[in-house]
Amino acid sequence: QVQLVQSGAEVKKPGASVRVSCQVSGYSFTDYYIHWVRQTPGQGLEWMGWINPDTGRTKYAQKFEGRVTMTRDTSINTAFMELSRLRGDDTAVYYCAFISSFDHWGQGALVTVTS
Amino acid sequence: AIQMTQSPSSLSASVGDRVTISCRASEGIRNVLAWYQQKPGKAPKLLIYAASSLQSGVPSRFSGSGSGTDFTLTISSLQPEDFATYYCLQDYSYPYTFGQGTKLEIK
Repeated sequence: QVQLVQSGAEVKKPGASVRVSCQVSGYSFTDYYIHWVRQTPGQGLEWMGWINPDTGRTKYAQKFEGRVTMTRDTSINTAFMELSRLRGDDTAVYYCAFISSFDHWGQGALVTVTS
Repeated sequence: AIQMTQSPSSLSASVGDRVTISCRASEGIRNVLAWYQQKPGKAPKLLIYAASSLQSGVPSRFSGSGSGTDFTLTISSLQPEDFATYYCLQDYSYPYTFGQGTKLEIK
C-alpha cells in the first residue's frame, strides 16, 4: 500500500536549519507532486509548496520563499524539505502529502524551535 | 492570497444530528475546494474534493456543495467517529490556503 514515512522529531535553535525527509513507497515516485504542509497551534494548517519528483521543479508559497528548499532523491524515493533561519513560530508539525484525490499523508514530523 | 473563512469555529452536536459547516472564499475559486477531517495526533484525511465529489471510502453521510465563493460540508447523521476538526482547502490558486477549522464536539 501507499506509504509516506517521515523523519523523526527535531529540536533546533533559532537561526538554525532543519531538513525533514519523506520516503514514499507503494506507487511510482514520479507520478504525483509532493506537497509540504505545516500545522501550528496559532496558524492552523499552512501550505508551504510542492515539488515535482519527476523534474525536481518546485513551487513555494511566497511566505517561505528564500527560506525553504524542497528537493528529492529519486534513487531512494525520498523528498526533502529544508527550512532555514528558523524562528520560534516555525515550531510546528510538518507533513508531506498529496493534495489531490490520491490522498495520502506522512505521519508528520514535529519541529521545535527553542533556545 | 485567497482567504478561506470557516463557520462556525466550533460546534456541539449529538449523535444522529444533521450538521452543516460553511466555508467562504475571499474571491471566486470555481469548485476547486476540498474538505478534510482531522483527529488529534493524526494527519488530515480527505473527505470531499472538487467541492462535491465524495472521496473513495468515505461514508455517504458526508456531502459537499457550493461553487464560486460559498461552500458547505454536510454530515447527514452524526456518528461517534465524526467528532473531529474539519478544514476546507482551496487549491485553485497559489498559495493554497486552508480555513481555520471547525471543531465538532459531542453535546
